[in-house]
Amino acid sequence: SQTIHQWPATLVQPVGSPLSLECTVEGTSNPNLYWYRQAAGRGLQLLFYSVGIGQISSEVPQNLSASRPQDRQFILSSKKLLLSDSGFYLCAWSVRTASNEKLFFGSGTQLSVL
Amino acid sequence: SQELEQSPQSLIVQEGKNLTINCTSSKTLYGLYWYKQKYGEGLIFLMMLQKGGEEKSHEKITAKLDEKKQQSSLHITASQPSHAGIYLCGAADYGGSQGNLIFGKGTKLSVKP
Repeated sequence: SQTIHQWPATLVQPVGSPLSLECTVEGTSNPNLYWYRQAAGRGLQLLFYSVGIGQISSEVPQNLSASRPQDRQFILSSKKLLLSDSGFYLCAWSVRTASNEKLFFGSGTQLSVL
Repeated sequence: SQELEQSPQSLIVQEGKNLTINCTSSKTLYGLYWYKQKYGEGLIFLMMLQKGGEEKSHEKITAKLDEKKQQSSLHITASQPSHAGIYLCGAADYGGSQGNLIFGKGTKLSVKP
């Protein structure tokens, strides 16, 4: 069966420090991969998605970047964190069919930038 | 772009009571997904609806997509503390790229024992 792993679960970082969040999927190949951010009172916002190795699409301009070095690995990064980067980050994967797309989510990373 | 509005934003019910959460879309829904999230955790898939008038049930949770396919309701019968959490509706935004899901802001449900 497919599983998704996301780490770390919580992270406290000072402003200006770098960030690296990692997400890996097991049990499937060539999944679509996503990074979402959930900020208080603002719902779930799609940040990046990837349909294949090295293919990254950004939905919103921001201080973050994403990379997909391997088929089932998705990394969210920043060179210098801002206070506004605080939030709950969720990685997700999907296998798209002709009629629907169902997302499966990781357990999330709570990022606090101080 | 498509937007989803959920109501109410939060809900406190007594254990055993029924409740309904609504999700209204600004555009026609091509696929409506309901997820549940416990605080600080990932989202758990509940149900997906695609056809107007479609209704699905899982244990004591029932979701329906209205005929015009712009609104969905999630109904919980005889609520229990285990139902507490944040319920999010998601929709396939075919106006955007790759048909990625967009989400409402969620409804926070608390069940008082």
